[in-house]
Amino acid sequence: DIVMTQSPDSLAVSLGERATINCKSSQSVLYSSNNKNYLAWYQQKPGQPPNLLIYWASTRESGVPDRFSGSGSGTDFTLTISSLQAEDVAVYYCQQYYSTPMYPFGQGTKLEIK
Amino acid sequence: QVQLQQSGPGLVKPSQTLSLTCAISGDSVSSNSATWNWIRQSPSRGLEWLGRTYYRSKWYNDYEPSVESRITINPDTSKNQFSLQLHSVRPDDTAVYYCARGRSTMIRGLNTPCGFDIWGQGRMVTVSS
Repeated sequence: DIVMTQSPDSLAVSLGERATINCKSSQSVLYSSNNKNYLAWYQQKPGQPPNLLIYWASTRESGVPDRFSGSGSGTDFTLTISSLQAEDVAVYYCQQYYSTPMYPFGQGTKLEIK
Repeated sequence: QVQLQQSGPGLVKPSQTLSLTCAISGDSVSSNSATWNWIRQSPSRGLEWLGRTYYRSKWYNDYEPSVESRITINPDTSKNQFSLQLHSVRPDDTAVYYCARGRSTMIRGLNTPCGFDIWGQGRMVTVSS
């Protein structure tokens, strides 16, 4: 089975500081035909469905603030929030959508204000 | 603006069938650039992708192996919606169930997925007698 592992499980960062969340896939999600990493990041706030932030590991979804960025390739990926805002408090998930028919999510990282 | 509206019962008895529907507005269930997915979320399992249906000249379905023997996802083109049926439910099927659109875009002639960009509001389903 493909497993997505995020670290840390929880994170407390001061307002205006950088937040970094890591995601590791047990298998590569790089599709060689188009050189795209089939890896997405989502933000979920209480009582809401997940919201797509980043796809192809580093492409920001329309409307997502540019303080959110994604990086990495193959099996190791990072979501960075460059300057934490109060509205960024949420749980963040990575997901791979490379291997049909399994599209697992990471276990989530809870981001709070320090 | 694409929206997904979920409906269905919030309580199902053990061994019975869980049935949910996801109505699509602003897109078509027959779109060649989308997949239509069901995902659930529980404290014990986290976010769990269950399966999808999509149209690429014909209809396809994919199901997560752990539920493949109990799940059916069907499109309904007349109502522009898709449905989830999970048979022989157990208490550990209790979860919030979401429908979601998987968007894709053509890059050099290849239909390239972009993640799940539109989600339904979620439906809490409890399996209990």
